[in-house]
Amino acid sequence: GNSVTQMEGPVTLSEEAFLTINCTYTATGYPSLFWYVQYPGEGLQLLLKATKADDKGSNKGFEATYRKETTSFHLEKGSVQVSDSAVYFCALTLNRDDKIIFGKGTRLHILP
Amino acid sequence: NAGVTQTPKFQVLKTGQSMTLQCAQDMNHEYMSWYRQDPGMGLRLIHYSVGAGITDQGEVPNGYNVSRSTTEDFPLRLLSAAPSQTSVYFCASSLGQGIHEQYFGPGTRLTVT
Repeated sequence: GNSVTQMEGPVTLSEEAFLTINCTYTATGYPSLFWYVQYPGEGLQLLLKATKADDKGSNKGFEATYRKETTSFHLEKGSVQVSDSAVYFCALTLNRDDKIIFGKGTRLHILP
Repeated sequence: NAGVTQTPKFQVLKTGQSMTLQCAQDMNHEYMSWYRQDPGMGLRLIHYSVGAGITDQGEVPNGYNVSRSTTEDFPLRLLSAAPSQTSVYFCASSLGQGIHEQYFGPGTRLTVT
């Protein structure tokens, strides 16, 4: 079936460190891919998305590139801040009318 | 705009009690959905609606009912609460399924004792 696998957390980094959160997917077709972020005590909000292979989504200094050959959509940021501490969810949807499938989430702690 | 609102923020129920979690959106979105979030399980879809008068089951519908009488409101009913329903519940809305951005409410933390 269709699914999303994220790296286990929590991930703990120092401020200004480089961040990578791995995400790989299994899908029967060509999905659209998303990263959502959940700050403490809040609901999820869309961080970035990519709808076709080789697309790069970016927002707030975060980037992710849709890699069809490795079925991956890894989230990266060059220099993290304490305010980036949150839970990050990778997600996919197969087509315009399909439900979104979320990964289990990766908790990120940034130390000052 | 208020976006997606949920009430209450916190609730404690005894086993067997019933209650309704409220969800409302002011963005005129057709698609609304309910998720539960449990540690290590991510988000699981309970029920969803593609428009007023239309609802359907998600991944974990048992023990929950929904209705959609208006575009704005999508309440979730627990008919007879069980400890297994202790969770954080999120309502979301969007223009549609698929590639459309999902807008989430702040969540309701429910404890069933």
